[in-house]
Amino acid sequence: QSALTQPASVSGSPGQSITISCTGTSSDVGSYNHVSWYQQYPGKAPKVMIYEVNKRPSGVSNRFSGSKSGNTASLTISGLQAEDEADYYCCSFAGSSTSVFGGGTKLTVL
Amino acid sequence: QVQLVQSGGEVKKPGASVKVSCKASGYTFTTYGISWVRQAPGQGLEWMGWIDPYNANTHYAQNFQGRVTMTTDTSTSTAYMELRSLRSDDTAVYFCARASGSLGFNYWGQGTLVTVSS
Repeated sequence: QSALTQPASVSGSPGQSITISCTGTSSDVGSYNHVSWYQQYPGKAPKVMIYEVNKRPSGVSNRFSGSKSGNTASLTISGLQAEDEADYYCCSFAGSSTSVFGGGTKLTVL
Repeated sequence: QVQLVQSGGEVKKPGASVKVSCKASGYTFTTYGISWVRQAPGQGLEWMGWIDPYNANTHYAQNFQGRVTMTTDTSTSTAYMELRSLRSDDTAVYFCARASGSLGFNYWGQGTLVTVSS
């Protein structure tokens, strides 16, 4: 179970859009639509922002969207706001009732 | 409202064991699994395993096989994670999270800092 691959950091200016990629394999991201994304502020527990590749939980801004192509899932944040500055993690079901997280991406709002 | 409340921080010596608890409320405990996720200082999230409180079935990440045991007490709606043979690189914040199938981990505990130091 190797961690999914995410860029270590991304940045964008307020109002812009950014996309964070999450690359796995045909054994995890490529085989299941159980891909979720989490936002984490320093010292806090993660919060689910996207589940089932592209679904938003109630209360999550529609500026957050998800997609998947092959072995790569993506999180897009549009209309960047200062409050979006946080760490973001993808997670995928990996078969046999196991899950795997990505290494995390630090988003900086310039 | 759904809440997961974890036990307090622990300091352990190398080679010792630690047992962290996670008390659930606000939902039927046996309806959803509980996963454990850890985060070493300055590092990312690492999925450790999952337990189904309904039948006590467990699934552990390969990295922790043989060293971790997850259990539940349905009478108190509490999940437990025991990690043995602690090493310094086990120093981390340990989170429990409600595993809601395809919905992901939609509720999390506050985290428990486990420090392993001689």
